[in-house]
Amino acid sequence: SAVISQKPSRDICQRGTSLTIQCQVDSQVTMMFWYRQQPGQSLTLIATANQGSEATYESGFVIDKFPISRPNLTFSTLTVSNMSPEDSSIYLCSVRQAGANVLTFGAGSRLTVL
Amino acid sequence: GDSVTQMEGPVTLSEEAFLTINCTYTATGYPSLFWYVQYPGEGLQLLLKATKADDKGSNKGFEATYRKETTSFHLEKGSVQVSDSAVYFCARSNTGNQFYFGTGTSLTVIP
Repeated sequence: SAVISQKPSRDICQRGTSLTIQCQVDSQVTMMFWYRQQPGQSLTLIATANQGSEATYESGFVIDKFPISRPNLTFSTLTVSNMSPEDSSIYLCSVRQAGANVLTFGAGSRLTVL
Repeated sequence: GDSVTQMEGPVTLSEEAFLTINCTYTATGYPSLFWYVQYPGEGLQLLLKATKADDKGSNKGFEATYRKETTSFHLEKGSVQVSDSAVYFCARSNTGNQFYFGTGTSLTVIP
């Protein structure tokens, strides 16, 4: 299965700033996704990162707050903009390879907003 | 709508105890079912899966059987070890790309 590297693994940020999380995959993958895992809660899908076009956002998530890039089939970034303490969470990159009905996850980026 | 409900934790067991973590789902059609595990400080890893009714997924001594009649996919292990301490997530996928996850069950195994 694909190996996913995410960075930063954790960060502490000030309110009102923005942070970009990077996701690098060791092989070309069809589908890349960004999830949020808030403390004590389930994973929530933020968006599907589409290669060469705008991401597809789930209900409750907007591009202005969570801009996503995916310039090629192995790399994506998620930016958390104008952060507030409510954005404190673990953000997870995941991929789904063609023909495989399985999600593979990165180790996650733990974000704390003060 | 489609969802996954799993047993709330935390669960604390002694080493070699029997483990059951309940999971039920609601879905239209015939979803695939999964258990993921998240060890401390790591991302989620696929533990096992089942793609159709009566299938049994198994890995590392864990098992779960796809029960269509009870819409369940309970996770079991006969003898847990300290190294099994982690958070376990039940999940399902539909025919599209959407995965639905339960809230996770934290397991702590004490020596």
